[in-house]
Amino acid sequence: GAGVSQSPRYKVAKRGQDVALRCDPISGHVSLFWYQQALGQGPEFLTYFQNEAQLDKSGLPSDRFFAERPEGSVSTLKIQRTQQEDSAVYLCASSLGSVGGQPQHFGDGTRLSIL
Amino acid sequence: SQQGEEDPQALSIQEGENATMNCSYKTSINNLQWYRQNSGRGLVHLILIRSNEREKHSGRLRVTLDTSKKSSSLLITASRAADTASYFCATDANSGYALNFGKGTSLLVTP
Repeated sequence: GAGVSQSPRYKVAKRGQDVALRCDPISGHVSLFWYQQALGQGPEFLTYFQNEAQLDKSGLPSDRFFAERPEGSVSTLKIQRTQQEDSAVYLCASSLGSVGGQPQHFGDGTRLSIL
Repeated sequence: SQQGEEDPQALSIQEGENATMNCSYKTSINNLQWYRQNSGRGLVHLILIRSNEREKHSGRLRVTLDTSKKSSSLLITASRAADTASYFCATDANSGYALNFGKGTSLLVTP
């Protein structure tokens, strides 16, 4: 596709429900990142995939957060038993290569609100 | 944790004026990037400067990097209303791939 696509754009869930956020990266991009952005803050790193391998999940806030990229393209971020503090914008980004020092291309994010 | 800190937090100027934003960071880096974010949208990459570079230009953008002071600046010349957005610096400190963002500078350009 032309850019990184995320769905849904908005998600409202009740506390305790599970949610799944989808990311379609730019075709052919090796690296895929998830970030969490709180209101008025910069994005915070959650996890990193190189193709289908999850190489870094050090930013995931708790074991309720799980991400996968089974075929090395589309990725899903799942949050189980959601809490109010999970409310944020979740951004997905991809980059062409597997090394640092490259621009990251961001989707428009999923705005998650937990009631 | 946030690696970079942008200054000022907010900046309001008129069209045609120049806008300067500063970024300071804490640890050694390989490169530094600047991104723009319009309200409700994702981040857009503006420019990347490597640690061995001191200055870089792209259109109306000029970025400087001073690794001895661990700081960078972004200059937007002849600003336009369409430049209204939040601007973030990001470094690849620690991992070399994950970006560490500051809190951003909110720029308002009025016609």
